[in-house]
Amino acid sequence: SQKIEQNSEALNIQEGKTATLTCNYTNYSPAYLQWYRQDPGRGPVFLLLIRENEKEKRKERLKVTFDTTLKQSLFHITASQPADSATYLCALGGYSTLTFGKGTMLLVSP
Amino acid sequence: DGGITQSPKYLFRKEGQNVTLSCEQNLNHDAMYWYRQDPGQGLRLIYYSQIVNDFQKGDIAEGYSVSREKKESFPLTVTSAQKNPTAFYLCASSIPLAAGELFFGEGSRLTVL
Repeated sequence: SQKIEQNSEALNIQEGKTATLTCNYTNYSPAYLQWYRQDPGRGPVFLLLIRENEKEKRKERLKVTFDTTLKQSLFHITASQPADSATYLCALGGYSTLTFGKGTMLLVSP
Repeated sequence: DGGITQSPKYLFRKEGQNVTLSCEQNLNHDAMYWYRQDPGQGLRLIYYSQIVNDFQKGDIAEGYSVSREKKESFPLTVTSAQKNPTAFYLCASSIPLAAGELFFGEGSRLTVL
């Protein structure tokens, strides 16, 4: 069956460092992959989309890579800030639906 | 402002009662979705609709029902047949997914007493 794995343990980093979150998947060949941010008690907010034929995508301090051979996406936040603290979800795209991972909580301390 | 509005934000229900969660969007999106989120779990797809008067079951449709009579509205009914309905429910909409992203509402938290 399809499986998406994100680190279940929270990632704790110091302000100013680069945060790297991992999304691994099995039994899936997604056409694209998306990353979302979710704050407690709120709906997720879209951050980035990367397609299967793209290796890397950037948006301001965010960078996403997509390796279809390794079946892995890495999500980087450079120069992290306490305001970046949230849960980050990866989602794999099919024809008409998205399948979400459980998310990784990021905690950035001052 | 364009967006998705879910109501109510908090809802309490007694066992055996049906409850309907509202979802309205003014983004002119064709596709709408309902997800359920439990603590420590990812979002799980309940139902989705790509066009008015048509909808498909997601991964966990049992105990739920939907309708899509208008483009702007996609209400979800949690029936008494749903064995564990206490959860955070999220509605979303989109243009064709491969071209863009899901826009989510703020969620409805249902608690069964």
